[in-house]
Amino acid sequence: IQLTQSPSSLSASVGDRVTITCRASQTISNYVNWYQQKPGNAPKLLIYSASTLQGGVPSRFSGSGSGSDFTLTISSLQPEDVATYYCQQSYINLYTFGQGTKVDIK
Amino acid sequence: EVQLLESGGGMVQPGGSLRLSCVSSGFIFNNYGMSWVRQAPGKGLEWVSYISGSGGSTYYADSVKGRFAISRDKSKSTVYLQINNLRAGDTAVYYCAKNEAAPGHHNWFDTWGQGTLVTVSS
Repeated sequence: IQLTQSPSSLSASVGDRVTITCRASQTISNYVNWYQQKPGNAPKLLIYSASTLQGGVPSRFSGSGSGSDFTLTISSLQPEDVATYYCQQSYINLYTFGQGTKVDIK
Repeated sequence: EVQLLESGGGMVQPGGSLRLSCVSSGFIFNNYGMSWVRQAPGKGLEWVSYISGSGGSTYYADSVKGRFAISRDKSKSTVYLQINNLRAGDTAVYYCAKNEAAPGHHNWFDTWGQGTLVTVSS
């Protein structure tokens, strides 16, 4: 199963609403998770099962979608959100990641 | 606190072998599947392998099948990745990750180690 994220990169202002999409090559129900990776750090889980916020993650992050189209939204971009974001599927036991979306501040 | 600590990385010649280790603490080791995920320099994340909590099920990415072997030792709370016949394309930071699961196909990586760098070069 291939996951295609768009855009590959974006630049937005502090306080902007940011949306990242993840499209699967086949329907995968809601078996999608989202991760944040800051430069030099290991990835961090943000959202699992398409829309459930991991404990401790700020509420400005949200996820939605089902089937083959999924979205990660940051409601109000903060400077500490500069990172690369990845989606990942668990529909089959050959887990795959999207190619990543790099987010920075304009 | 859940912690994962990888070790075993280094520089190796093409065709060589390495064994990576990931020592776990802060959770009941046998209750969770574990995975290895790698990241080539400047590239994205690539899932490599998974082992179930019992060790009875293992899965591999097509890119490493037949060359990599995942295993776990309950007595040491450690998961291993034996990597053989290394190629330049295997150069990456290798992360150990704890799998969390829910009924159905829900499975996610809720805790990650800091990674260990494997460099394949002559």
